[in-house]
Amino acid sequence: IAGITQAPTSQILAAGRRMTLRCTQDMRHNAMYWYRQDLGLGLRLIHYSNTAGTTGKGEVPDGYSVSRANTDDFPLTLASAVPSQTSVYFCASRGQGADGYTFGSGTRLTVV
Amino acid sequence: AQSVAQPEDQVNVAEGNPLTVKCTYSVSGNPYLFWYVQYPNRGLQFLLKYITGDNLVKGSYGFEAEFNKSQTSFHLKKPSALVSDSALYFCAVRAPTDSWGKLQFGAGTQVVVTP
Repeated sequence: IAGITQAPTSQILAAGRRMTLRCTQDMRHNAMYWYRQDLGLGLRLIHYSNTAGTTGKGEVPDGYSVSRANTDDFPLTLASAVPSQTSVYFCASRGQGADGYTFGSGTRLTVV
Repeated sequence: AQSVAQPEDQVNVAEGNPLTVKCTYSVSGNPYLFWYVQYPNRGLQFLLKYITGDNLVKGSYGFEAEFNKSQTSFHLKKPSALVSDSALYFCAVRAPTDSWGKLQFGAGTQVVVTP
C-alpha cells in the first residue's frame, strides 16, 4: 500500500441497504476527510477527523456516519442508502503542516 | 466560512495556445490555495499551492498560478496547452485559522484542448 486505498472501486446498491466505504492510509497522517463529488458541485466535505477518536461534520453530513478507531482507517457508512447518495466518494488525508493532502482514487456508488 | 468560485464550466483552447482557468475565493485572513486536476475516472492530482511568499507559484506539468490578494483570485495558467491537459480542474481554499484543515472546493472547470 502506498498512500490511500479506497474500497470498493465501484458499487451498485439497492436503496435502503447499509453500506460501508473503506479508506485506509499508510502515511500515519492524523487528519482524514471524506468528500463526495457531484457534477457541477465539485467536491463537498461529508465528515472529517483530526485524530483517532475525534470526528466532525462537514458540509453534507446527513445520511452518513464515520468512525476513527485508529490512525490508518476512516470508514464511511451509509446507514440506509437513498438515490441522492449516488456519487463518487473520495477519501483524503493530510500530514503535518498546512498543505500535504493526499487523495484516494475514489469509490463510485450508484444507489438504485 | 470560505468559498471558491470557478466561473467557467468549460474552457476550450487550441493546442499550443495559452490556457487560463479562473478561480476567485472568499476567506478570512490569508488563504491557503490549491489547484488539483482530475483525469477521467481518476482521483485528484495535486498541481500547485500557495501558502505564503512569492505570488507566482509554479507547479507540475508546466502550470503556474498567480495569487492576487486585491482581486481575491488565484488563476491557473499554462503558456502552451497540450491535448493531454484536457481534464477537470479544481481550485480549493483553506482558511489559515481552520485547525481541522478542511478544504473548500470550487465546482470545477472542464478544460478541452483541441489539436
